[in-house]
Amino acid sequence: GQNIDQPTEMTATEGAIVQINCTYQTSGFNGLFWYQQHAGEAPTFLSYNVLDGLEEKGRFSSFLSRSKGYSYLLLKELQMKDSASYLCAVTDSNYQLIWGAGTKLIIKP
Amino acid sequence: DVKVTQSSRYLVKRTGEKVFLECVQDMDHENMFWYRQDPGLGLRLIYFSYDVKMKEKGDIPEGYSVSREKKERFSLILESASTNQTSMYLCASSSGQEGDSGANVLTFGAGSRLTVL
Repeated sequence: GQNIDQPTEMTATEGAIVQINCTYQTSGFNGLFWYQQHAGEAPTFLSYNVLDGLEEKGRFSSFLSRSKGYSYLLLKELQMKDSASYLCAVTDSNYQLIWGAGTKLIIKP
Repeated sequence: DVKVTQSSRYLVKRTGEKVFLECVQDMDHENMFWYRQDPGLGLRLIYFSYDVKMKEKGDIPEGYSVSREKKERFSLILESASTNQTSMYLCASSSGQEGDSGANVLTFGAGSRLTVL
């Protein structure tokens, strides 16, 4: 079966750095997405990786290793507003999106 | 600002009632999707549509139907609501084309939280 694994919950301190991991086993691979979802709100797009390596976008970076079936989202200079759930999703060989259960990130002052 | 609007944020219905969840997008997107989101589970696709009057079953279509009579509107219908359909329902749309990020990005609505008693 197809599977996306990510930690259920993480806690970090304001101003620090946190890395949220995502591992996947899917039939084929056509890209990996990260979305952010604040409580009670719509998920919003953060990043997309289709080739190996690091994509940097301001305080957020996303890394992909296709050979390892692994990605991470790196958040730097954490702010209280970064408290949210972070959803990892992979597009399989049929271009269907497979979603992880999400990682709830709690930021403490 | 691009937007996907879901008509109801919170609904409470009784078992056996017919439930309509409406979704409207103003981006002229071709593709529209209905997901449900439950704690501890990833988003699960119920139905999707790539064109007006076209619909395709997702991973969990049982107990649901959809309607897409106009490009901008995609409705989810629960013919006879059951308690196991208590959930958060998310509508999303996409253009079907790669954007600046190189990806076919989904734009989501804020969700409709349905409770079936």
